Amino acid sequence: QVQLVESGGGVVQPGKSLRLSCAASGFSFSNYTMHWVRQAPGKGLEWVAVISFDGSNKYSAASVKGRFAISRDNSKNTLYLQMYSLRVEDTAVFYCARDPRSTRAHGFFDLWGRGTLVTVSS
Amino acid sequence: QSVLTQPPSVSAAPGQKVTISCSGSSSNIANNYVSWYQHLPGTAPKLLIYDNNKRPSGIPDRFSGSKSGTSATLGITGLQTGDEADYYCGTWDSSLSAGVFGGGTKLTVL
Repeated sequence: QVQLVESGGGVVQPGKSLRLSCAASGFSFSNYTMHWVRQAPGKGLEWVAVISFDGSNKYSAASVKGRFAISRDNSKNTLYLQMYSLRVEDTAVFYCARDPRSTRAHGFFDLWGRGTLVTVSS
Repeated sequence: QSVLTQPPSVSAAPGQKVTISCSGSSSNIANNYVSWYQHLPGTAPKLLIYDNNKRPSGIPDRFSGSKSGTSATLGITGLQTGDEADYYCGTWDSSLSAGVFGGGTKLTVL
């Protein structure tokens, strides 16, 4: 069935690294732009990063620029988010989301995963 | 503080209509498409509206979207208790080169 399943979350100390994965199934992953979106406890949705269908274009939020890196492996139908220098304020549920558009101005999220929780705490 | 501004909460009785506003600027809403999402805690967010006013298949016509200038609006008619959730608007900000969301609006069906 068509779905996205995130994994890799957990408890990590400030300053450490963590890599999240998002496994796609039931659709042609390599045809889609993909995003990461997060939600901190008690807060709203925050866009994190986007990667084009072929991995050639990437953008990220100012709050994570230089610390988080989005990537994908189309041969494995998997999206990644490598997170470095994690901060307490990065604590959140991280969602991956599919975007059927190649133009950012026209993008939207038509399929979401259920999320994986990242807790940054000493 | 979110780039897009939504009211923190709205409420109405079952069967009534409610609107949720989303205010932005020329670098986001005015020149890019707006989408709307429904989110229940612990679940995956759900796409309700894309391209300002289009509904994906399976979304009832009780949900509608509109955009004018730097603002967008989500309308929900015939409110049901199952509509209680958080609602978010989203778009691309061309100046930031980043996706942006509103702060979210909690809908209570009294």
